[in-house]
Amino acid sequence: GESVGLHLPTLSVQEGDNSIINCAYSNSASDYFIWYKQESGKGPQFIIDIRSNMDKRQGQRVTVLLNKTVKHLSLQIAATQPGDSAVYFCAENPSRRYSTLTFGKGTMLLVSP
Amino acid sequence: EAGVVQSPRYKIIEKKQPVAFWCNPISGHNTLYWYRQNLGQGPELLIRYENEEAVDDSQLPKDRFSAERLKGVDSTLKIQPAELGDSAVYLCASSSRDYNYEQYFGPGTRLTVT
Repeated sequence: GESVGLHLPTLSVQEGDNSIINCAYSNSASDYFIWYKQESGKGPQFIIDIRSNMDKRQGQRVTVLLNKTVKHLSLQIAATQPGDSAVYFCAENPSRRYSTLTFGKGTMLLVSP
Repeated sequence: EAGVVQSPRYKIIEKKQPVAFWCNPISGHNTLYWYRQNLGQGPELLIRYENEEAVDDSQLPKDRFSAERLKGVDSTLKIQPAELGDSAVYLCASSSRDYNYEQYFGPGTRLTVT
């Protein structure tokens, strides 16, 4: 289930489950949204992005959903694996070209074997 | 292809001491970013370079922080003097039009100020 820890919201799932990580963004003018994965001791790693003219985009085992009406972004991970355990951040950008990313609060995903 | 390289990976200093971080971006990436990441938070942009030019340094605390990218490749971020509140991970990232402006991050330098 999902809980709010001292520092980060944490989502704990079993291996093989589907995971959904949510994010609320702040700028209604943002045109470009990105999900990053950050493992301990590493920098953020690009997972998937979506433009504001889309409401869904799929990658390998991941799907991003965008709801501009309520300024909400979600990341769905299918068949979650222990290697998916990490902190996930959403980021918004006024435009892809000008790359001024504003990161949201992260969510820690813990996958149990 | 080598990723973004940062050094040192870890640094422990006493307050009021100076410290410097170095970043080598991915070859050919003309845009370079420095971010600060506090524990449990997302990265926050400090400065962005387009080649040698700092085009966004609005979040850089200029009284103690400075940065340079003299030849439009490597970059150095300096803090002088360091304060306790500067303890954080300092991340460097780079991007290029040729790669859809996707930002590639280095592993970061974890700074502890005692």
